[in-house]
Amino acid sequence: NAGVTQTPKFRVLKTGQSMTLLCAQDMNHEYMYWYRQDPGMGLRLIHYSVGEGTTAKGEVPDGYNVSRLKKQNFLLGLESAAPSQTSVYFCASIGTGLINSNQPQHFGDGTRLSIL
Amino acid sequence: GDSVTQMEGPVTLSEEAFLTINCTYTATGYPSLFWYVQYPGEGLQLLLKATKADDKGSNKGFEATYRKETTSFHLEKGSVQVSDSAVYFCALRNQGGKLIFGQGTELSVKP
Repeated sequence: NAGVTQTPKFRVLKTGQSMTLLCAQDMNHEYMYWYRQDPGMGLRLIHYSVGEGTTAKGEVPDGYNVSRLKKQNFLLGLESAAPSQTSVYFCASIGTGLINSNQPQHFGDGTRLSIL
Repeated sequence: GDSVTQMEGPVTLSEEAFLTINCTYTATGYPSLFWYVQYPGEGLQLLLKATKADDKGSNKGFEATYRKETTSFHLEKGSVQVSDSAVYFCALRNQGGKLIFGQGTELSVKP
């Protein structure tokens, strides 16, 4: 998973607190993605970005916001954390400018987030 | 909408046994198909891929064939090792660029 770094790796929050997860890639990739992984449900796409300054909603965007102010960074924000947002969050990136490319994604190692 | 369905786990095998993990998909158009592997505590790694019908992806002894007629992409390995113990995800990339995952299948290989 070289090239995609997620910060932090672990975090415990109380309900109602806010926080930001950082995804950084050094491969000059255009596309970046945030997923959440829950038992028995695979990975579900939260938001994604097709380039600096752009964002789009995925399958489960509610309760999350994102920003892509710099090409190498994709931030995922929780404004008011809820226990349902307890999950493992993965960031991914892909280098091509073609949205239908067959290039595989590069994944970070994940952020384990618990909301009490 | 587009979706991926995998056989449920966990799957428990003895070392050197034959492995099959079933995967079927629903998609419009011509998606690309992938198998990813996730080892404990790690992110996902691409295992193999196929980009068109009848393509066979292979890596590390694993292989899968893109079967458009049955909308399947089953993962196989002739002789599993303890080090193959992991969670395996089937996925498709649709023409909109999204990567859609199955729910994952946990494989446990016993010595």
